Amino acid sequence: DAGVIQSPRHEVTEMGQEVTLRCKPISGHNSLFWYRQTMMRGLELLIYFNNNVPIDDSGMPEDRFSAKMPNASFSTLKIQPSEPRDSAVYFCASSPGGGGASGELFFGEGSRLTVL
Amino acid sequence: GENVEQHPSTLSVQEGDSAVIKCTYSDSASNYFPWYKQELGKRPQLIIDIRSNVGEKKDQRIAVTLNKTAKHFSLHITETQPEDSAVYFCAARGGGNKLTFGTGTQLKVEL
Repeated sequence: DAGVIQSPRHEVTEMGQEVTLRCKPISGHNSLFWYRQTMMRGLELLIYFNNNVPIDDSGMPEDRFSAKMPNASFSTLKIQPSEPRDSAVYFCASSPGGGGASGELFFGEGSRLTVL
Repeated sequence: GENVEQHPSTLSVQEGDSAVIKCTYSDSASNYFPWYKQELGKRPQLIIDIRSNVGEKKDQRIAVTLNKTAKHFSLHITETQPEDSAVYFCAARGGGNKLTFGTGTQLKVEL
């Protein structure tokens, strides 16, 4: 298996532009997570899905952020409009099961976003 | 929600010495406690985990202990090597499948 696949790996954009980050989880995994990593805040959970349904989006910083999971093999995280403080590494991760099942998260390589 | 605190934020040891990283959590319902290692510029990867029905788990040079009463768990690395240098994150899973991470420990193993 290729693991969790994220794109783009790097993105540099200007303030006000729309940013879309993409993720393909490991086939068969039921849970998908979006994390943001910065030096100041560490790894923050933004949102997670179980069986394509958003379960907890309390970590989404504001309305400029939105996430979708239209099917079991694809998710997007969108920022519109982007701001310099959104600069971070965004990780997508998937997990085999929800609740009491195996809790291991498999992370993608991350998308490094720089907003100028 | 769950709150995970991790100490120290940086740790420097001599090669061959032991390293200990400690975490506390707030949600008494949390039942799964993994540790992730993240090398510079790379993704976090699971190195060991422990579930709430176990007090200690060991895998070669790495061990994790859990004290549910105190809501405290620790990572122990023995005979440290330069390749152990990385950032280590603890995490706790509470309700649902939500994993909350600590703030990380930058471990540096010096020759």
